[in-house]
Amino acid sequence: AQKVTQAQTEISVVEKEDVTLDCVYETRDTTYYLFWYKQPPSGELVFLIRRNSFDEQNEISGRYSWNFQKSTSSFNFTITASQVVDSAVYFCALSESYNTDKLIFGTGTRLQVFP
Amino acid sequence: ETGVTQTPRHLVMGMTNKKSLKCEQHLGHNAMYWYKQSAKKPLELMFVYNFKEQTENNSVPSRFSPECPNSSHLFLHLHTLQPEDSALYLCASSQDRLAGGEGADTQYFGPGTRLTVL
Repeated sequence: AQKVTQAQTEISVVEKEDVTLDCVYETRDTTYYLFWYKQPPSGELVFLIRRNSFDEQNEISGRYSWNFQKSTSSFNFTITASQVVDSAVYFCALSESYNTDKLIFGTGTRLQVFP
Repeated sequence: ETGVTQTPRHLVMGMTNKKSLKCEQHLGHNAMYWYKQSAKKPLELMFVYNFKEQTENNSVPSRFSPECPNSSHLFLHLHTLQPEDSALYLCASSQDRLAGGEGADTQYFGPGTRLTVL
């Protein structure tokens, strides 16, 4: 069965702190895709990254970085030097090769960054 | 306009009303989706349309009726809803992966319609 777990319901940090959001997934498929989305208070889900299961290279994009480890079925997201504008709910999601239309979402982690 | 747009952004309706949610994508995609986001629950996929054909109905009650007249527009017709249907309804679109290549199946979301059923 496919499943995405985001164990951290809510995280609070002070500006400029680094913060890591955890994501653990379950799938029996050998080819799958992992995503992170950001949902600010406005409601729109903003696409951040897509990773396929064959690409375990870590990715860095500005203050954002992602650590994909197949051995632990994890796809963690780190924000370096957090800012107030990073406050949002962050969702990790999974899709499998035989049905890429179906995104399985975690329950999300609410990040609050205080000035 | 660019991206995925949804109207209205907020909707309050009674249980006997009939209303429609509209989604429009300006990305040239050929797949469109309806999701429901309730408090403290994961996003739930409701419907998927590929090239205007419905390819997924995730056991959604018949009081929700989707319509996809073309690849750019998606509607969700609502009638005789229940208070528990109050939620944020999100629309998304993507390119067909086989047609668009690696990464083309990434879904892009609209801002959602906040629905309250009284």
